Amino acid sequence: EPEVTQTPSHQVTQMGQEVILRCVPISNHLYFYWYRQILGQKVEFLVSFYNNEISEKSEIFDDQFSVERPDGSNFTLKIRSTKLEDSAMYFCASSVTRSTDTQYFGPGTRLTVL
Amino acid sequence: AQSVAQPEDQVNVAEGNPLTVKCTYSVSGNPYLFWYVQYPNRGLQFLLKYITGDNLVKGSYGFEAEFNKSQTSFHLKKPSALVSDSALYFCAVRDIDQGGKLIFGQGTELSVKP
Repeated sequence: EPEVTQTPSHQVTQMGQEVILRCVPISNHLYFYWYRQILGQKVEFLVSFYNNEISEKSEIFDDQFSVERPDGSNFTLKIRSTKLEDSAMYFCASSVTRSTDTQYFGPGTRLTVL
Repeated sequence: AQSVAQPEDQVNVAEGNPLTVKCTYSVSGNPYLFWYVQYPNRGLQFLLKYITGDNLVKGSYGFEAEFNKSQTSFHLKKPSALVSDSALYFCAVRDIDQGGKLIFGQGTELSVKP
């Protein structure tokens, strides 16, 4: 069964450093998402991406964040200058459409900012 | 604005007993509702969804959910709980106006004791 994959599973970085989180969505999916979950809290939407552009972003997704689909398979989230409060689990998700289809989630990347 | 609420932070059930995890929603149009389960240190796994049609939706692992339009609820149920059902459960609504993001409730920790 196709699945969303994410690398790395755990990333430790120093405050102020850049990190890139990688995702490989399911191959026939067209809509891509990033969410984050701070420990013990609910899952929060960051950004949605379709047709090589951002379709929606949350207030969390400020200028420090960017997304890219550099080739036909990868979908990346970059944080330019990490802050302590960026420590969270980051989930990538994908779906065929933006309405009735299920969003499938990857296993997540745990980002720890020291 | 779309929103979901899970009124219980934790639900405790004895193995073999029926379980219910509650969810209420608020949407401006047709509700597209989802349940996901999260096991410790794992990603979000899709359980079931309501798009249209029968109010009783059946999903994975013996779970089902009842859509109730008049009460704006979408409670998750299972006739006989297993210890292995112990996990964090999230209700979500799909916001189809823009990018199709999921808006999650705060989650309910289900604990099933032998």
